[in-house]
Amino acid sequence: AQKVTQAQTEISVVEKEDVTLDCVYETRDTTYYLFWYKQPPSGELVFLIRRNSFDEQNEISGRYSWNFQKSTSSFNFTITASQVVDSAVYFCALSDPQTGANNLFFGTGTRLTVIP
Amino acid sequence: KAGVTQTPRYLIKTRGQQVTLSCSPISGHRSVSWYQQTPGQGLQFLFEYFSETQRNKGNFPGRFSGRQFSNSRSEMNVSTLELGDSALYLCASSLDGTGSEAFFGQGTRLTVV
Repeated sequence: AQKVTQAQTEISVVEKEDVTLDCVYETRDTTYYLFWYKQPPSGELVFLIRRNSFDEQNEISGRYSWNFQKSTSSFNFTITASQVVDSAVYFCALSDPQTGANNLFFGTGTRLTVIP
Repeated sequence: KAGVTQTPRYLIKTRGQQVTLSCSPISGHRSVSWYQQTPGQGLQFLFEYFSETQRNKGNFPGRFSGRQFSNSRSEMNVSTLELGDSALYLCASSLDGTGSEAFFGQGTRLTVV
């Protein structure tokens, strides 16, 4: 069964600090997709990144970077030089490829607060 | 390009009533998934529709149902509402199958009193 663990419930950092959000997943599938979403107070889940299981290259997008390591089943997310606007709940998610349907298993989320 | 539109944004219903929520996906997207978000259970998958067919269903009672129309718009219905159904219901739109980037609407916040 698919499972996503985000052990950090809440993190607070001071503006301009770097912060890493952890995500560990479990799956028996060899082909799967991992995602990160951001949920600001408005409630909408904002797509940040998708990574398939065959692509272990790290990715950087502006102040955001992702470290995917299959050996440890982790897909961690780092925000460099955090800003107040980064304050939100961040979710890591894993796809369920068995059915062909596009449904996701979400972690419990990490609430990030950036203090000015 | 218009995003995912969910209506209404807020609803207050009484126990025992039924409710219908609507989701209009991004133009060209054929997959619509529904999720329930509560403080206790987090984000849970309800069901997914693709080309008017339900492809997968989460672990929810039969009171939760949905459908998709030929224009890909989707509705979900909850009958005989219970207090525990109070939640944020999120709809996600994606192009097609597994692994597609899913784009979410702002959700419908349902309160059952």
